[in-house]
Amino acid sequence: GQQLNQSPQSMFIQEGEDVSMNCTSSSIFNTWLWYKQDPGEGPVLLIALYKAGELTSNGRLTAQFGITRKDSFLNISASIPSDVGIYFCAGQPSPSGNTGKLIFGQGTTLQVKP
Amino acid sequence: NAGVMQNPRHLVRRRGQEARLRCSPMKGHSHVYWYRQLPEEGLKFMVYLQKENIIDESGMPKERFSAEFPKEGPSILRIQQVVRGDSAAYFCASSPLKETQYFGPGTRLLVL
Repeated sequence: GQQLNQSPQSMFIQEGEDVSMNCTSSSIFNTWLWYKQDPGEGPVLLIALYKAGELTSNGRLTAQFGITRKDSFLNISASIPSDVGIYFCAGQPSPSGNTGKLIFGQGTTLQVKP
Repeated sequence: NAGVMQNPRHLVRRRGQEARLRCSPMKGHSHVYWYRQLPEEGLKFMVYLQKENIIDESGMPKERFSAEFPKEGPSILRIQQVVRGDSAAYFCASSPLKETQYFGPGTRLLVL
């Protein structure tokens, strides 16, 4: 079945540094979404991308929908301690047919040292 | 506008009992999705419902699991005769369209 390969698996960085993580797949996706999950909570939507090549920002976060529709990256600039958490990419595969199901990556655990 | 509501947040069951998980979508959202998350893994799709209809249940185990989204009231994910392997976090998401899904806080099920 379709899979998303998310990397890196974990990151430990200094406060103020920039962060980059990405997701790749051998299949084409129609939509890419980036979520953040804190312990004991549900995923919170950060950025949604709907078109190949689309570059979208949300504050210090920037994400892009790869032109091949098989990848996406998320950048976080000037990290702060509250950026700590697990970041997931998720995509809606193509063709999507009648379903809206999302395929999730394995997650990137981010730790920020003050 | 309240977000997606799930209850209970934590549920403990003994093997063989039934578990009922409830999800109230965001106001105005008619699409509901259920996902399961094992520790240190991503979420895995289970089922997609619209009001009174199951649209895609390709991720649901064939036995013991069922889901509904009635005309009135919350969506229910029901697990009969639970086993230890059912222990996981179960998340509900809702959307007005099929793309942008907003997640609830989840129900953590522990089977003893």
